Amino acid sequence: AQKITQTQPGMFVQEKEAVTLDCTYDTSDPSYGLFWYKQPSSGEMIFLIYQGSYDQQNATEGRYSLNFQKARKSANLVISASQLGDSAMYFCAMREGEDNNQGGKLIFGQGTELSVKP
Amino acid sequence: EAGVTQFPSHSVIEKGQTVTLRCDPISGHDNLYWYRRVMGKEIKFLLHFVKESKQDESGMPNNRFLAERTGGTYSTLKVQPAELEDSGVYFCASSQDRTGGYGETQYFGPGTRLLVL
Repeated sequence: AQKITQTQPGMFVQEKEAVTLDCTYDTSDPSYGLFWYKQPSSGEMIFLIYQGSYDQQNATEGRYSLNFQKARKSANLVISASQLGDSAMYFCAMREGEDNNQGGKLIFGQGTELSVKP
Repeated sequence: EAGVTQFPSHSVIEKGQTVTLRCDPISGHDNLYWYRRVMGKEIKFLLHFVKESKQDESGMPNNRFLAERTGGTYSTLKVQPAELEDSGVYFCASSQDRTGGYGETQYFGPGTRLLVL
């Protein structure tokens, strides 16, 4: 069954340091996409980064990078040089299938609350 | 370009009442999704529209929930009658998805916080 697991309910990091948020997934579909979203206290869900199952290289977007280890079924988010504004809830999500007819719904993990300390 | 908008931002109602949530997707996005996060739990899929058609409604919890997307533009999600367990945050997301594929990014609205007393 499809599943996303985020084992860290809460994390603390010192400002300007790097932090890794863990995400493991389970799927039998060879084609899938992995996403990270950020939810600050204001409530909106902000798309951060995407990794496709066939991508050879780890995705990067500015200070965000995705440490994709396919054999281990993990897709950890790395935030470099943490800033106070990075304090938020972070969700890992997965979408299966190449064919849009399979639906397109995202499966989410329970989230990790990141707090950046000054 | 305007993002996904949702109305209202908050709603407090009593058990047994009716509430209607609205979502306006990003202009030109054919795909519209509803999700829900009950307190402390993961965000769960409710249903998916492609234009005005329901593509997947496997996540709808029961027949007290009715979603519509007339004309393929905005969508409404009605809860009637509301129960205590319906409390949570209801998110709407949209994607263009013209070419299909698992890499299509869904863009979320700010959510509607529903509290049923």
